[in-house]
Amino acid sequence: QKEVEQDPGPLSVPEGAIVSLNCTYSNSAFQYFMWYRQYSRKGPELLMYTYSSGNKEDGRFTAQVDKSSKYISLFIRDSQPSDSATYLCATNAGGTSYGKLTFGQGTILTVHP
Amino acid sequence: GAVVSQHPSWVICKSGTSVKIECRSLDFQATTMFWYRQFPKQSLMLMATSNEGSKATYEQGVEKDKFLINHASLTLSTLTVTSAHPEDSSFYICSARTVSSYNEQFFGPGTRLTVL
Repeated sequence: QKEVEQDPGPLSVPEGAIVSLNCTYSNSAFQYFMWYRQYSRKGPELLMYTYSSGNKEDGRFTAQVDKSSKYISLFIRDSQPSDSATYLCATNAGGTSYGKLTFGQGTILTVHP
Repeated sequence: GAVVSQHPSWVICKSGTSVKIECRSLDFQATTMFWYRQFPKQSLMLMATSNEGSKATYEQGVEKDKFLINHASLTLSTLTVTSAHPEDSSFYICSARTVSSYNEQFFGPGTRLTVL
């Protein structure tokens, strides 16, 4: 079993839809949670960074963490064609792991006009 | 701020040759840099962690003699793929973290390596 599981999709939605992306993790030591966006043949770009359970909002993006069920989500409101990319969740245990990230498989999202 | 560059962005080489990839933090000092490998439509797999002035720490299954990492300064780390073979063809991405960023990593744009 992988430490971080993410549905690879692909996911296709119409412009303006609400997108829900999800990951589950198995390691209770994971404390920090991130969502990255990666366009084709580019490096990942950090979208959201959370620590505690609950919601964190930034513009059209909302990150949600539920540590009790080991479940993390990213919601995109009013999705745009420019949101079409691969979305990667990532976690880290902190402490002596020195920022070493464990990534999910990535979900390919296409927003069509 | 927090810009990471990689050079080259794309390289094609013959089997048996060595290729060096550079990773630079342009506007901050990177105490730690990470090297990842990504196959098409797959996630990033951590290859090694590189701390300035010390030997890199390699992940299980990564050959340290094949993937040489040097982190000579706080703004530069290099990955050398030695005696490259077609199976080494992949997308190599570096990331960097600062003293204060703790768990936040800033990624470079990646280098696409094709070994013929």
